[in-house]
Amino acid sequence: SAVISQKPSRDICQRGTSLTIQCQVDSQVTMMFWYRQQPGQSLTLIATANQGSEATYESGFVIDKFPISRPNLTFSTLTVSNMSPEDSSIYLCSVKARASSYEQYFGPGTRLTVT
Amino acid sequence: KNQVEQSPQSLIILEGKNCTLQCNYTVSPFSNLRWYKQDTGRGPVSLTIMTFSENTKSNGRYTATLDADTKQSSLHITASQLSDSASYICVVSEQGQNFVFGPGTRLSVLP
Repeated sequence: SAVISQKPSRDICQRGTSLTIQCQVDSQVTMMFWYRQQPGQSLTLIATANQGSEATYESGFVIDKFPISRPNLTFSTLTVSNMSPEDSSIYLCSVKARASSYEQYFGPGTRLTVT
Repeated sequence: KNQVEQSPQSLIILEGKNCTLQCNYTVSPFSNLRWYKQDTGRGPVSLTIMTFSENTKSNGRYTATLDADTKQSSLHITASQLSDSASYICVVSEQGQNFVFGPGTRLSVLP
């Protein structure tokens, strides 16, 4: 299994500012993902973080709003830019060890509140 | 459109009782189905994974079933405990990389 840590675990931010969330995995993984979970809702995939290249974004999510970095096989960051109260959510990092693996692991999440 | 539906939306049971959660999906072509448990304020944790050829899988007091013909799955929890209070999420994967998440069932176990 993969152990995933996220920083920060929670934050309260003012609208118009940006927050960068870090995701660290204890082993090299092929695939890393970023999800958003709005209050009372299930998870929505924001993007797949690709090592050494631009992330692949899902419909409704754009790079200018959610820039993602993945410099190596164990680390990724998600930035929530120019925040508004609608961005208040839990942001979760997720990984798969191999593209063909069925197992998908989730980090503990970052709870973001925008005031 | 690929969809995953779960029922009930929420459920309250007494400690020690059994319960069954349902998942219906339209995802095709099907690769695998997973049940996750998500405690409040935490990330989801995998309970079971089933592929097309598997129709039942257990993990302690959790037993999942899969009927690939009717595209239905269930998660049965036996002798519930207070720590079972959580959201249970059904996730169905297409062949390839696409995952479709269900809305979850919120289970509350009362003493």
